[in-house]
Amino acid sequence: GAVVSQHPSRVICKSGTSVKIECRSLDFQATTMFWYRQFPKQSLMLMATSNEGSKATYEQGVEKDKFLINHASLTLSTLTVTSAHPEDSSFYICSARDWQGGNEQFFGPGTRLTVL
Amino acid sequence: AQRVTQPEKLLSVFKGAPVELKCNYSYSGSPELFWYVQYSRQRLQLLLRHISRESIKGFTADLNKGETSFHLKKPFAQEEDSAMYYCALTLDTGRRALTFGSGTRLQVQP
Repeated sequence: GAVVSQHPSRVICKSGTSVKIECRSLDFQATTMFWYRQFPKQSLMLMATSNEGSKATYEQGVEKDKFLINHASLTLSTLTVTSAHPEDSSFYICSARDWQGGNEQFFGPGTRLTVL
Repeated sequence: AQRVTQPEKLLSVFKGAPVELKCNYSYSGSPELFWYVQYSRQRLQLLLRHISRESIKGFTADLNKGETSFHLKKPFAQEEDSAMYYCALTLDTGRRALTFGSGTRLQVQP
């Protein structure tokens, strides 16, 4: 089946620094990728939709200048958490839509971000 | 706005017992409904979708538009079914963004 990878799987950073998370579709092309955030023992909350070659679409309440999304190719989307603060600590999960495979979404393994 | 409700945070059953994980949604249109499963230390994966009308690993789910429900059922639970289950819906055929329920942890005891 289709595979989506995320890198890094875990990152610890100091408050005020920026962190980049990569999401790759390994064996299919994804014109659309999604970024979710999951707090402990809570559900996934959609943050933004990443569109290849165009601007990302952010959900209400998500700061686009805080969470920068770049979808430069059909297999890669990046999420950069800028000037991270402890409240940004969370589990970030991406998914990629295989438009040639029935529009099913495939999820990455997630990235655990801890901001000290 | 659309909403997905999973009323049970935890469902514990014994092996061989029937299982029903509840899911209700609120949306006036015609959404597409999904069940996703997350086994321990693994990523989220699609279990089944209502348009497929298929049974996966013995699980079935029927969309009831009158009751706006999409409950997940299995007649005989197995220990390997223990996992976190999320009900989700998508509204539009364009973006296909998913709205998730809060999830139900299923524990199947031996």
